[in-house]
Amino acid sequence: TQLLEQSPQFLSIQEGENLTVYCNSSSVFSSLQWYRQEPGEGPVLLVTVVTGGEVKKLKRLTFQFGDARKDSSLHITAAQPGDTGLYLCAGARRETSGSRLTFGEGTQLTVNP
Amino acid sequence: KAGVTQTPRYLIKTRGQQVTLSCSPISGHRSVSWYQQTPGQGLQFLFEYFSETQRNKGNFPGRFSGRQFSNSRSEMNVSTLELGDSALYLCASSRTSGSSYEQYFGPGTRLTVT
Repeated sequence: TQLLEQSPQFLSIQEGENLTVYCNSSSVFSSLQWYRQEPGEGPVLLVTVVTGGEVKKLKRLTFQFGDARKDSSLHITAAQPGDTGLYLCAGARRETSGSRLTFGEGTQLTVNP
Repeated sequence: KAGVTQTPRYLIKTRGQQVTLSCSPISGHRSVSWYQQTPGQGLQFLFEYFSETQRNKGNFPGRFSGRQFSNSRSEMNVSTLELGDSALYLCASSRTSGSSYEQYFGPGTRLTVT
């Protein structure tokens, strides 16, 4: 059973379009992190959200943590080809000892010029 | 500040052999976690080491093991390799252990078992 469900799995859009990626769970997370991964490389941390309802912005990227801390979304405005990559959400649960992260399956985003 | 480094970057092994992968965390980081990434299963947690002790373990067979040294560098070992062990092995470091601390990933070691 996948603890974190990410949707959509694949997304192919044209440059300039907007998009939203969703990360949902029935479990509560103490924090949720979003990563972007390029082929053959490790995931790069984009943002961490910790408070229910929190919204964080990183240039054209907007991240939101659900009020109940069970879900999150990533919205990209005016997507550019450089945004292409695998977007991963990962949750940390307080009842789990240590630094263990549970990952969603990822959303493969392709932005066509 | 240098990021997480992993060696080697690529490795080809034969079924039945064993392999050791190395990870050097960000300077000052004391927790190292290991993950396996495959197309079918995504990123799966292997284990975490903190202060030379295994803090947490994922659902992998005993063929997967690891250790951490006093300088926080970590190694993971896979014995009796199987074809299904082919994957990208990622390590991540964080300042200390706990759900509140962000993890930073290395570039990974691509292991191919033939």
